Amino acid sequence: AQTVTQSQPEMSVQEAETVTLSCTYDTSENNYYLFWYKQPPSRQMILVIRQEAYKQQNATENRFSVNFQKAAKSFSLKISDSQLGDTAMYFCAFMKNNNDMRFGAGTRLTVKP
Amino acid sequence: ETGVTQTPRHLVMGMTNKKSLKCEQHLGHNAMYWYKQSAKKPLELMFVYNFKEQTENNSVPSRFSPECPNSSHLFLHLHTLQPEDSALYLCASSQAHRGLSYEQYFGPGTRLTVT
Repeated sequence: AQTVTQSQPEMSVQEAETVTLSCTYDTSENNYYLFWYKQPPSRQMILVIRQEAYKQQNATENRFSVNFQKAAKSFSLKISDSQLGDTAMYFCAFMKNNNDMRFGAGTRLTVKP
Repeated sequence: ETGVTQTPRHLVMGMTNKKSLKCEQHLGHNAMYWYKQSAKKPLELMFVYNFKEQTENNSVPSRFSPECPNSSHLFLHLHTLQPEDSALYLCASSQAHRGLSYEQYFGPGTRLTVT
């Protein structure tokens, strides 16, 4: 079974600074997808960024980028120029070539003014 | 935030009650999901529907009964729940093609409390 591990239950960062959230996963599959989702307090879960395992290039979405290390089964999220609105729970997720998505336990990120 | 809607947003029910959660997606997707989100635990996938057909049932107790009458609507019928079933229940949808599914879009969730 695929498992997703987020080793940092809580993190904090100063506004405008950079923070990296860690995620590792375990799988024997070669083709799969990885995601980072954001769940702000009392608000809906939204997709932040996605990465296809067959792509070597790291995905980037504005201030959000990933460091995808396939051999190490690592998928970290870097948030640059942190903003107060980035305060949220961040979930790393893994999905094979079907609809079964597995989530990590989440990292609670607080951006401090 | 209107792509996937869920009602009710909050529900308190006794262990002998019968209630239903409703989810509706306005995105034209063909796959829908139910997840359970408990404090300090990863999201748990409960049920998956592709083109109205159930394709995943991750060992969910029979007191949870899903129904998908069409590709836009998904229900979760609840009966004789236990206090440990109290959680946030999230609905999601995605576009699936030839068994390959893309990112999922989530609703706001129903906060369920079983007393």
